[in-house]
This record gives sequence, C-alpha cells and structure tokens, in this order.
Amino acid sequence: AQSVAQPEDQVNVAEGNPLTVKCTYSVSGNPYLFWYVQYPNRGLQFLLKYITGDNLVKGSYGFEAEFNKSQTSFHLKKPSALVSDSALYFCAAGRQAAVNKLTFGGGTRVLVKP
Amino acid sequence: DAGITQSPRHKVTETGTPVTLRCHQTENHRYMYWYRQDPGHGLRLIHYSYGVKDTDKGEVSDGYSVSRSKTEDFLLTLESATSSQTSVYFCAISESGRTHGNTIYFGEGSWLTVV
Repeated sequence: AQSVAQPEDQVNVAEGNPLTVKCTYSVSGNPYLFWYVQYPNRGLQFLLKYITGDNLVKGSYGFEAEFNKSQTSFHLKKPSALVSDSALYFCAAGRQAAVNKLTFGGGTRVLVKP
Repeated sequence: DAGITQSPRHKVTETGTPVTLRCHQTENHRYMYWYRQDPGHGLRLIHYSYGVKDTDKGEVSDGYSVSRSKTEDFLLTLESATSSQTSVYFCAISESGRTHGNTIYFGEGSWLTVV
C-alpha cells in the first residue's frame, strides 16, 4: 500500500524568509508526486508535479520541489514567503503507469507572518 | 479554474436519508473522481470513473455509490446518510488515467453535515 507523510501539522515563517514544507512517500515502483494548495473554503489548486526527469521541479507562484529518491522525499520550497502563501498544503503520491489513485498526506498548514 | 461545478455546495441532512451530490465538468475529461476531506486524513478516494458507466471503488467506498451516465456528470449517492459521512466532498477530473504528465483538477467542494 502506498502512503504519504507530512510530518508537520503547521509551519510558521516570517514574510521574506525561506519556506519549506516536508513530504515523504512510500510507493512501489516509480512514483509520481504532486503538491496542491488549498485556501479556506476552496478546492485544491495544483502547484507542481514530478513525473520523471530533473529532480528539481518548478511550479506556480514561485514554488519548487526537490525529488530525492534515496530519501523518498518531495519537499516543497519557496525562497521568499509571502503572507498570501498562508494556506493548507497537500502532498500526494501515486504509482506511475497506473490509474490515478493518488494518496494524500494529512496536510500542512503554513502561516506566514508579516 | 478547471470547469468543474459541484452541487449542492452546502447541505444539512438527517441521519438515514439519501443524499446525492452532483459533479458536472465542461472539460470532456475521461476520468472523474470523488474524494472526501477530513481533518488529519487529507483527501481519501471514494470512487472514480474511467468512462461512461465505468466506475470503480477507492479506499473508502463503503456506504457510497456512484453513477456516470454522461461524460460530463458524475453522481455520488449516500444511500442512508450517517454522521460519519459528515465531511467535505470534492469532485476531481483528469484527462487520462495514465499519468504521463497528467494532473488531477479539483472542484470547489460540497460541505455535507449529517445530523
């Protein structure tokens, strides 16, 4: 069975500082990995994905994520956080060449303080 | 935003009553999904569809049924609602099940309260 862990329920960061949201996964075979963001009372918005290729993936709104196969991690990063980045972030994983049965982590709430 | 419309957006119902949530898409995507979101659990897949009249179970399918009679519509039915089904339900779509660059897009959610 596949699983995704987001070890931090909440991350607090000052505006302008780097932001990191952690994610580790367990998937048989080659994984595909996603990050989504959710604002209050809204649906999930796609940020970025890793399918194959470069380990550093660049996505929307200045976010990027680094795929590390040996550590089975896919941490989300942003060099300089904005107050508007405050939201709930979800990591999701699935198995390549299979039906899209994504497994989601429990979510990490990010609070960026002015 | 992906062309996904969920209805109703908010509903309060009584235990034991049937409830149907509707998802309508304008993207002509083949795959449609129903997820539920609960605190601490992230999103969990209830059912999904890979074509008209083609559906399959996800990880939390007990107590739910689905139907897809048209490409654009995917219905989720709670035959007899229970308090444990109080949740936020998200419909999602994707162009293909094989994820070579594929992405799942989500609707805005339906808040269901069972009292």
